[in-house]
Amino acid sequence: SQTIHQWPATLVQPVGSPLSLECTVEGTSNPNLYWYRQAAGRGLQLLFYSVGIGQISSEVPQNLSASRPQDRQFILSSKKLLLSDSGFYLCAWGAPLLNEQFFGPGTRLTVL
Amino acid sequence: GENVEQHPSTLSVQEGDSAVIKCTYSDSASNYFPWYKQELGKRPQLIIDIRSNVGEKKDQRIAVTLNKTAKHFSLHITETQPEDSAVYFCAASRKDAGNMLTFGGGTRLMVKP
Repeated sequence: SQTIHQWPATLVQPVGSPLSLECTVEGTSNPNLYWYRQAAGRGLQLLFYSVGIGQISSEVPQNLSASRPQDRQFILSSKKLLLSDSGFYLCAWGAPLLNEQFFGPGTRLTVL
Repeated sequence: GENVEQHPSTLSVQEGDSAVIKCTYSDSASNYFPWYKQELGKRPQLIIDIRSNVGEKKDQRIAVTLNKTAKHFSLHITETQPEDSAVYFCAASRKDAGNMLTFGGGTRLMVKP
């Protein structure tokens, strides 16, 4: 069966510091991968999605970037964090021929 | 692009009563409509979904209805229990590059024992 992992689970970072969040999927090949952000008490905002290695589409212009160095690895990065980057970051995967998306456990990021 | 509106934003019901959450979407090409349940501090979990070729789908106490003409769909929970308390999100997508989901703003459901 498929499993999706995210780490770290929680992170506290100072403003201006870099960020790297990692997401990996097991048990499937060539998944669609997604990064979402959820501000406290709010909805889900799609940040990036990827349909294959090296293929990244950005939905919201901001100081974040994403990379997919391997088929089942998706990384979210920032060179300099802002206070507004605080939130719950969720990675999700979906099979290319199906619509369903399944979320990872998330990373709770606090920028101070 | 797609826009999904969800109502109400909060819903309080007595245990055993029914709860209904409604969503509208704007893109007539959307053909897949999932519902997610998110408990406090946890990831959203897919609980039921419906595709555009079906008008209704049921799974035990939960059901989803879809009206393609009016572009709205609803989640129905019967015989609510305290463990149904959570935030529920609807979403819509169409089958194209990326199969992206557009989410509604969420409904906080509180079931009072």
